[in-house]
Amino acid sequence: GNSVTQMEGPVTLSEEAFLTINCTYTATGYPSLFWYVQYPGEGLQLLLKATKADDKGSNKGFEATYRKETTSFHLEKGSVQVSDSAVYFCALSPSTSGTYKYIFGTGTRLKVLA
Amino acid sequence: DAGITQSPRHKVTETGTPVTLRCHQTENHRYMYWYRQDPGHGLRLIHYSYGVKDTDKGEVSDGYSVSRSKTEDFLLTLESATSSQTSVYFCAISEGGANQPQHFGDGTRLSIL
Repeated sequence: GNSVTQMEGPVTLSEEAFLTINCTYTATGYPSLFWYVQYPGEGLQLLLKATKADDKGSNKGFEATYRKETTSFHLEKGSVQVSDSAVYFCALSPSTSGTYKYIFGTGTRLKVLA
Repeated sequence: DAGITQSPRHKVTETGTPVTLRCHQTENHRYMYWYRQDPGHGLRLIHYSYGVKDTDKGEVSDGYSVSRSKTEDFLLTLESATSSQTSVYFCAISEGGANQPQHFGDGTRLSIL
């Protein structure tokens, strides 16, 4: 079946450090992949997406590349800020589903210290 | 931001009482979803809708029912609330299509005592 695995958190970094949050997936066909961010007390917000192999999604300094050969979609940012502290979710939308039910990872909490 | 409103935003109730949560959208999207979010579980799909009066179960549907009589409204009902249903509930909408993102409301924090 389809699944998404994210690295356990929390991830604690100092401001301006490099960020990587790992995400791997299992799916048949060619799913679309997404990263969402959730700030305290809010819903999930779409951060970036990639819809085919080798696509790179980017937004607000965050990047992720759809790697079919390693079934991965790792989130990276070159220099994190305190305001990036949040929970990050990796998700996939199976290509074979007609109802577009997403599969979400369990989330990774990021804490950025000043 | 996508026009999604969840109500109420917070609710405290007692075991055995009925509870209805409302999701209202102004985007005219076909697909609507209800999730619950619990520590260690991420988001789990409760029910979803793919059109007016067209709904189906998700992975954790026991104890929940839904209705969608209009494109813009999707209701989630707990017929007889239990403490295990204490959670944060999120509504999401989507235009449909595997590469279309879901957009989320701000959630309802439900506590069942």
